[in-house]
Amino acid sequence: RKEVEQDPGPFNVPEGATVAFNCTYSNSASQSFFWYRQDCRKEPKLLMSVYSSGNEDGRFTAQLNRASQYISLLIRDSKLSDSATYLCVAKGLTGGGNKLTFGTGTQLKVEL
Amino acid sequence: NAGVTQTPKFQVLKTGQSMTLQCAQDMNHNSMYWYRQDPGMGLRLIYYSASEGTTDKGEVPNGYNVSRLNKREFSLRLESAAPSQTSVYFCASSFDYYQETQYFGPGTRLLVL
Repeated sequence: RKEVEQDPGPFNVPEGATVAFNCTYSNSASQSFFWYRQDCRKEPKLLMSVYSSGNEDGRFTAQLNRASQYISLLIRDSKLSDSATYLCVAKGLTGGGNKLTFGTGTQLKVEL
Repeated sequence: NAGVTQTPKFQVLKTGQSMTLQCAQDMNHNSMYWYRQDPGMGLRLIYYSASEGTTDKGEVPNGYNVSRLNKREFSLRLESAAPSQTSVYFCASSFDYYQETQYFGPGTRLLVL
């Protein structure tokens, strides 16, 4: 079982739709979680951190469910520019410490 | 302020050839990292340098060596390239090893024939 698992997609949604991705992680000891965004053939960039109390940044909401060991990302009012791959990231998963473990990503395509 | 820069952008090697990937950051960060990204595998840590003067193995270090030349620069060397090292290589940096935000370079696409 992968340490961080994501549905690879693609999720094809119309502009203006609401879309949600989930990500599961294997080690309950993991300390922190994040969502990174990666555009096609570009480098990953931090989108937002995920807190136990939830985290909202404009149209983006991230949630953490420690009991079920998953995190989620909700995107409201999708824009064409949201088309990208979203990487779920856990910190302190492997061997503790501060290493980041990346999921393989979920691809989102927002269409007219 | 260029952030994290990597050279070269693309490279084709023959099996057994060697090369060095260069990475530099101008953000005065203490920690630097090398990852590889392969389809279906996600980003995997090859080596990291928590601070100038230190380097440590990551998840997939075999076949690679690194040098933290100074605070700004962190290079990755393939001594004898193999087709299994065909990948996209990303360098990243963070203020320190405990900070969660890592800033990535644009990547190097490497093909080993």
